[in-house]
Amino acid sequence: AQKVTQAQTEISVVEKEDVTLDCVYETRDTTYYLFWYKQPPSGELVFLIRRNSFDEQNEISGRYSWNFQKSTSSFNFTITASQVVDSAVYFCALIPQGGSEKLVFGKGTKLTVNP
Amino acid sequence: DTGVSQDPRHKITKRGQNVTFRCDPISEHNRLYWYRQTLGQGPEFLTYFQNEAQLEKSRLLSDRFSAERPKGSFSTLEIQRTEQGDSAMYLCASSPRTGYAYGYTFGSGTRLTVV
Repeated sequence: AQKVTQAQTEISVVEKEDVTLDCVYETRDTTYYLFWYKQPPSGELVFLIRRNSFDEQNEISGRYSWNFQKSTSSFNFTITASQVVDSAVYFCALIPQGGSEKLVFGKGTKLTVNP
Repeated sequence: DTGVSQDPRHKITKRGQNVTFRCDPISEHNRLYWYRQTLGQGPEFLTYFQNEAQLEKSRLLSDRFSAERPKGSFSTLEIQRTEQGDSAMYLCASSPRTGYAYGYTFGSGTRLTVV
C-alpha cells in the first residue's frame, strides 16, 4: 500500500523568508510518480510538479525548487523568498506506475505567508 | 478550453435528501476521476472512468454513492440519503490518458454541507 506523510500541518513565515515543505512517502513499487499540488482558498488543486522515480534530479522553477531523494523516500518542496500569494495548502501525492489509477495524497501543509 | 468544470460550487442539503453533482472534464480527456476531501485532510480517491467505463471504485464509495459517465463526456456523482458524514468537498479531475504519465487537471470542486 502507498502512504504519503506531510508531518508539518501548518507553517507560518514572514514574506521573503525561505520555507521548505516536507514530504515522505512509502511504496513497494519500484516505478512511481510523485506530485505536488497547491490548493488556494478557492479550492482548486493547482498542479506544480510531477516527478518519476527514475529521475532524481532536483528541479527549479522560478522561486520553487524540489529535492527528490529516493534513499530517504522524500520529495521536499522549497519556496524561496516567499510571497503572500504563496499562502495555500500544499499537497504531496504518490501513484505507482501501472495498475491502480488512485492518486494517494498526504494530509497537506497549510502555509501562511505574512506581510 | 476552460479546464475542468464542476457544478454546483456549493450545495446545502438536509440529511436524508439525495444530491447530484456534475463534472465536465477537458474535452479531449478520456479519463475522469472523483475524489472526496474532508476538512483538514487530503483528497481521497472515490472512482475513475475511462471513457464511459467505470474501471475502479474505492471502498469509500458506499451503496449510497453512484457515479456515471454515460457518453464518455460529463460525469455525475449522486449521493442518496445523505448523512452528515458526507459533508465534504467533492473534486473531479481529468487526464488525456493515464494520469501518472500525463498529469491530472482538477476542477474547483463542489462543497457539500449536510445539515
